[in-house]
Amino acid sequence: QVQLQQWGAGLLKPSETLSLTCAVYGGSFSGYSWTWIRQSPGKGLEWIGEINHSGSTNYNPSLKSRVTISVDTSKNQFSLKLSSMTAADTAVYYCATTRLIAAAGVNWFDPWGQGTLVTVSS
Amino acid sequence: DIQMTQSPSSLSASVGDRVTITCRASQSISNYLNWYQQKPGKAPKLLIYAASSLQSGVPSRFSGSGSGTDFTLTISSLQPEDFATYYCQQSYSTPRTFGPGTKVDIK
Repeated sequence: QVQLQQWGAGLLKPSETLSLTCAVYGGSFSGYSWTWIRQSPGKGLEWIGEINHSGSTNYNPSLKSRVTISVDTSKNQFSLKLSSMTAADTAVYYCATTRLIAAAGVNWFDPWGQGTLVTVSS
Repeated sequence: DIQMTQSPSSLSASVGDRVTITCRASQSISNYLNWYQQKPGKAPKLLIYAASSLQSGVPSRFSGSGSGTDFTLTISSLQPEDFATYYCQQSYSTPRTFGPGTKVDIK
């Protein structure tokens, strides 16, 4: 049973870089893709991007210039960096496992980490 | 980007009621549609994937249907633990996008 545990700084100043890490416990790490999603009152649930076990990434175009997702297979962890943070980036950030049925192409997010509230304020 | 809409945005219902939530995509997404349940202060939880497949461990009172642009989540007999917000999400293309949510509360 895969479980995700995430951590990182929760209070940032404008222009700083957000750094979050998500650890994967139980199950296989190499067989999945790993995703970051955020949730704010104003924008709802927003997909940030994903990385697969080989390190290939796919980012939301709206954030692509500021986002880096990386993976450390030796530690079964993946990470998010979001640069040039502003108040508009204030949100709860979630990591999640992307599962898929390759033959059908369908995919979904399960499970999710517990979430990290990130506030950007001077 | 594919835009997802949901209706209603909120509803009030009683225990035992049959509840139906609708999700619409801005273009055809075949069956690439997932449903999640979220309770306050918690992460979303997967209920249905691929439009109609029930996630393991999810009660059978939850069901999903639809294809193309129109989808439905049905709760056959609402239970106290089902009061929550429900989101649809398309997995047809990136960026993955979510609906704005439907809040189900107690009448």
